[in-house]
Amino acid sequence: GQNIDQPTEMTATEGAIVQINCTYQTSGFNGLFWYQQHAGEAPTFLSYNVLDGLEEKGRFSSFLSRSKGYSYLLLKELQMKDSASYLCAVRAGANNLFFGTGTRLTVIP
Amino acid sequence: EAGVTQFPSHSVIEKGQTVTLRCDPISGHDNLYWYRRVMGKEIKFLLHFVKESKQDESGMPNNRFLAERTGGTYSTLKVQPAELEDSGVYFCASSQVGPRYGGSYGYTFGSGTRLTVV
Repeated sequence: GQNIDQPTEMTATEGAIVQINCTYQTSGFNGLFWYQQHAGEAPTFLSYNVLDGLEEKGRFSSFLSRSKGYSYLLLKELQMKDSASYLCAVRAGANNLFFGTGTRLTVIP
Repeated sequence: EAGVTQFPSHSVIEKGQTVTLRCDPISGHDNLYWYRRVMGKEIKFLLHFVKESKQDESGMPNNRFLAERTGGTYSTLKVQPAELEDSGVYFCASSQVGPRYGGSYGYTFGSGTRLTVV
C-alpha cells in the first residue's frame, strides 16, 4: 500500500520562509508532486520531482530524497495569497496519484 | 485551453437516491481519473480510464458506483443508491497518454463536485 504523511496545519508570517515536509512509503515510486489547493477550487500543480535533489521555480522549491522517502516544499517571501492547502502526492503503479491529507498553511500579517 | 470541467459543482441528495456526476476532460486527453475526498481524509483514487476503457478501477468503493466514458470523451460517475458515507468532494483529472516531463506533467484537475447525502 501507499502511506503519505504531512503535517495537518502550519502558520507562517508574511514575507517569511516556510518548509512543508512530506514522508512517504510506497511501492513502484514514479515521481512526487506538490499541489496547491484553495478552498472550493481545483488542486493546481506546483512542482514535480522524480530524481533526488532540489527543483526551484520562482518562490517555490521542492526537494526529494528517494532513499529517505522524503520531500519538502519550500515557499519563500510568503504572501497572504499563499494561504491554502498544500498536497503532497506520489505517483506509483499505473500512473495513479496517491495523496497525503494536505497541509493547511495560514499566512499571517 | 479549456480546463477540466465538472458538473454539478454541488449536489445535495437524500439517502437512497441516485446522483450522476459528469467530467469533461481537456480535449485530446486520453487519460481520465476520478478521485474522492471524504471530509478530513486524503484525496483517494477511484478509477482510471484510458480513452473509453477502464484501466484501473481498484479504488471504487463498491458496486453502487458506476463509471462510464462512452466514446472516450466525457465521463460520468453514478452513485446508486447513495449512502451517507458517500458524501465528499469528487475530483476528476485528465492527462495525455504517458505523462511526460514538462508542464503539469499531465494531470489537470477539475474543481470537483461536492456531494452531500442527507
